[in-house]
Amino acid sequence: QKEVEQDPGPLSVPEGAIVSLNCTYSNSAFQYFMWYRQYSRKGPELLMYTYSSGNKEDGRFTAQVDKSSKYISLFIRDSQPSDSATYLCAMDDYKLSFGAGTTVTVRA
Amino acid sequence: DTGVSQDPRHKITKRGQNVTFRCDPISEHNRLYWYRQTLGQGPEFLTYFQNEAQLEKSRLLSDRFSAERPKGSFSTLEIQRTEQGDSAMYLCASSHDRRPGGYTFGSGTRLTVV
Repeated sequence: QKEVEQDPGPLSVPEGAIVSLNCTYSNSAFQYFMWYRQYSRKGPELLMYTYSSGNKEDGRFTAQVDKSSKYISLFIRDSQPSDSATYLCAMDDYKLSFGAGTTVTVRA
Repeated sequence: DTGVSQDPRHKITKRGQNVTFRCDPISEHNRLYWYRQTLGQGPEFLTYFQNEAQLEKSRLLSDRFSAERPKGSFSTLEIQRTEQGDSAMYLCASSHDRRPGGYTFGSGTRLTVV
């Protein structure tokens, strides 16, 4: 069993919809939780990172962490075609462990 | 600062040849990581350095792989006797141990072994 599980999708939504992504993890040592966005043939780009359980908002993006359930989520409100990318969750305990990534397409 | 730089961007090599990749991290970052990413998968950890010391190597890193970070600055990843299964994107990231979560990735080197 992988340390980090993420549904690879793909996920296709109409412009303006809410995109919901999630990951589960098994390693209680993970302290920091990140979401990265990756465009084709590019390196991952950090979107958000959180430390504690709860919600964190940044513009149209909301990250949720539930340490008791070992579950994290990312919500993208008012999605745009430019949000089309692969979204990777990652967990940090001095090195990053990634999920498989979910490919999201936002249709204009 | 121009971020994390990786060179080359793309490398095509014949099976059995040796290849070397270079990573230049963000200058004030003391940690440097190498990851490998195959199609449809997230990046997998290979190894990391704190300054010039290589502190951990994944079991994914066979004896054909070697990484160095002389003087704690740039790093090189060498693959000897390449195999088709080595075809992947090799990503470098850097961070500072006093700023958790602050990993910055380069654009990667895409290796194709033919």
